[in-house]
Amino acid sequence: TQLLEQSPQFLSIQEGENLTVYCNSSSVFSSLQWYRQEPGEGPVLLVTVVTGGEVKKLKRLTFQFGDARKDSSLHITAAQPGDTGLYLCAGGRNNDMRFGAGTRLTVKP
Amino acid sequence: NAGVTQTPKFQVLKTGQSMTLQCAQDMNHNSMYWYRQDPGMGLRLIYYSASEGTTDKGEVPNGYNVSRLNKREFSLRLESAAPSQTSVYFCASSEMSVSAQYFGPGTRLLVL
Repeated sequence: TQLLEQSPQFLSIQEGENLTVYCNSSSVFSSLQWYRQEPGEGPVLLVTVVTGGEVKKLKRLTFQFGDARKDSSLHITAAQPGDTGLYLCAGGRNNDMRFGAGTRLTVKP
Repeated sequence: NAGVTQTPKFQVLKTGQSMTLQCAQDMNHNSMYWYRQDPGMGLRLIYYSASEGTTDKGEVPNGYNVSRLNKREFSLRLESAAPSQTSVYFCASSEMSVSAQYFGPGTRLLVL
């Protein structure tokens, strides 16, 4: 059982559509991070959220940390083919990070 | 700055062989990590080093050993490789524990 559950596991949409992916846990985290990973490469950090209820925007991407610091969401507005990739959330607690299994997003032109 | 580098990029081993995966970072980070990534499983932490001179087990440490050689380098050793260790291995570093991690390009390992 994953400590962090991500949904959906796969998502295929058309260019221009909006989407939201989720990262849920029963554990409380001191911080939560979102990464994007492209085939054959390592994950690249998108954002870190640390305060319950925090919302951060990165161009067309909006990240929210749940009030109880147990869950997070990533919303993409007007998705583009360049958004295609594996989106991973990671929660920090004690001295280590735990990753979810990821949402694999495909944006078709 | 090269960031996080890993060697080798690819490796094929026979069951029972040993090998060491090398990782180095040039960002003066305190913490370093080794993960494995398998389809549908996400990234699973094998070992981490919160600071130079310390190492701790992660989620899946069995069959692996690590050495934090200095602040820059963190190696992962497979003493007797098994087919279940076929995976993609990523090294990462961060300024301190639970802060943003920077990943290397990965090592693809196949154990026959």
